[in-house]
Amino acid sequence: GAVVSQHPSRVICKSGTSVKIECRSLDFQATTMFWYRQFPKQSLMLMATSNEGSKATYEQGVEKDKFLINHASLTLSTLTVTSAHPEDSSFYICSARPGGENTIYFGEGSWLTVV
Amino acid sequence: AQSVTQLGSHVSVSEGALVLLRCNYSSSVPPYLFWYVQYPNQGLQLLLKYTTGATLVKGINGFEAEFKKSETSFHLTKPSAHMSDAAEYFCAVSAQKTGGFKTIFGAGTRLFVKA
Repeated sequence: GAVVSQHPSRVICKSGTSVKIECRSLDFQATTMFWYRQFPKQSLMLMATSNEGSKATYEQGVEKDKFLINHASLTLSTLTVTSAHPEDSSFYICSARPGGENTIYFGEGSWLTVV
Repeated sequence: AQSVTQLGSHVSVSEGALVLLRCNYSSSVPPYLFWYVQYPNQGLQLLLKYTTGATLVKGINGFEAEFKKSETSFHLTKPSAHMSDAAEYFCAVSAQKTGGFKTIFGAGTRLFVKA
């Protein structure tokens, strides 16, 4: 149980375009999902907390207009990187917390390369 | 406020030797503690967690960790390392905050296993 899936696992996009990453909880409903960014050989940096049916809560220093988060259902959250630039290239990981639990479960991660 | 400190960014052991990965935390409220493992180019997988009850918790792949409140520690151990244990390990602390749980990750410890 508690499986989280991300798609796509790898994506390459041109500078200036937008790209969407999906995060799905496959066997549970997730009222809260989290989006992280991880640079090579570093820990996870929390970008934002996504709450179903309401606006995401962004961490300090994360641009809301650049990293659009939508949590339209209890099993799906999306991260859209708008007007992507090469410095946005990174490994993005989502996680989800089942309602009533204190444990978060992670997706497989998505490699974004902006060329 | 919560924080997590993982002592040693790199740990190297021989195959068959004891694995000890150190984690110290701080939390103003009773914490929930987790260890996650990350293999290259993948998301994080939950190894084990401590919430309440028995302070020695057993996880997958033969790992276990002991919650020591007096030492504010949650070190991860495995009696005999296997080559497949080579990965990045993250300690995390989670606590109930206004608006829900917040999880903080340590910087990670990379485990190398020598043949």
